[in-house]
Amino acid sequence: DAGVIQSPRHEVTEMGQEVTLRCKPISGHDYLFWYRQTMMRGLELLIYFNNNVPIDDSGMPEDRFSAKMPNASFSTLKIQPSEPRDSAVYFCASRVTGNGANVLTFGAGSRLTVL
Amino acid sequence: SQQGEEDPQALSIQEGENATMNCSYKTSINNLQWYRQNSGRGLVHLILIRSNEREKHSGRLRVTLDTSKKSSSLLITASRAADTASYFCATAHFSGGYNKLIFGAGTRLAVHP
Repeated sequence: DAGVIQSPRHEVTEMGQEVTLRCKPISGHDYLFWYRQTMMRGLELLIYFNNNVPIDDSGMPEDRFSAKMPNASFSTLKIQPSEPRDSAVYFCASRVTGNGANVLTFGAGSRLTVL
Repeated sequence: SQQGEEDPQALSIQEGENATMNCSYKTSINNLQWYRQNSGRGLVHLILIRSNEREKHSGRLRVTLDTSKKSSSLLITASRAADTASYFCATAHFSGGYNKLIFGAGTRLAVHP
């Protein structure tokens, strides 16, 4: 298995632009998570899905952020409009039910820089 | 906050030495996990210890858990330069029908040849 695949790996954009980050979870995993990592705040859980349905989006910082999971093999995290304070590394992770311990497999991350 | 807190924030040792990292948390947990993150990469799961366990081993890793003190430690024995990475503890809290995983701020470990 190729693991959790994220794209792009790096994104540099200007304030006000729309940013879309993509994630392909491990085949068969029914939970998908989006985390954000910054030096100041560490790793923050933004949202998670179970069977493509958003379960908890309480970590989404504001309405500029939205996430979708149209099918079991694809999810997007969109920021519109982007701001410099959104600069961070965004991680996608997945796990499978039956893995009752909630052990996550992470992607390599998407490093976002908003100028 | 339910977030785990690691200490030290940074640790620098020589190859062959042991490295000990500590994690404290605030509320009851179902399990506690340790992850490693190499520079520029995603997190990789290392080891999990359940709330009813006190010690666990995996290769050169040893994890302890003291639920009365709400603390855990990760010991890496006979460290190698390849162990250089950031190490995070993550606590699993049952919330909303799901084991929510909350990460600490991490310990940056540097192992010098």
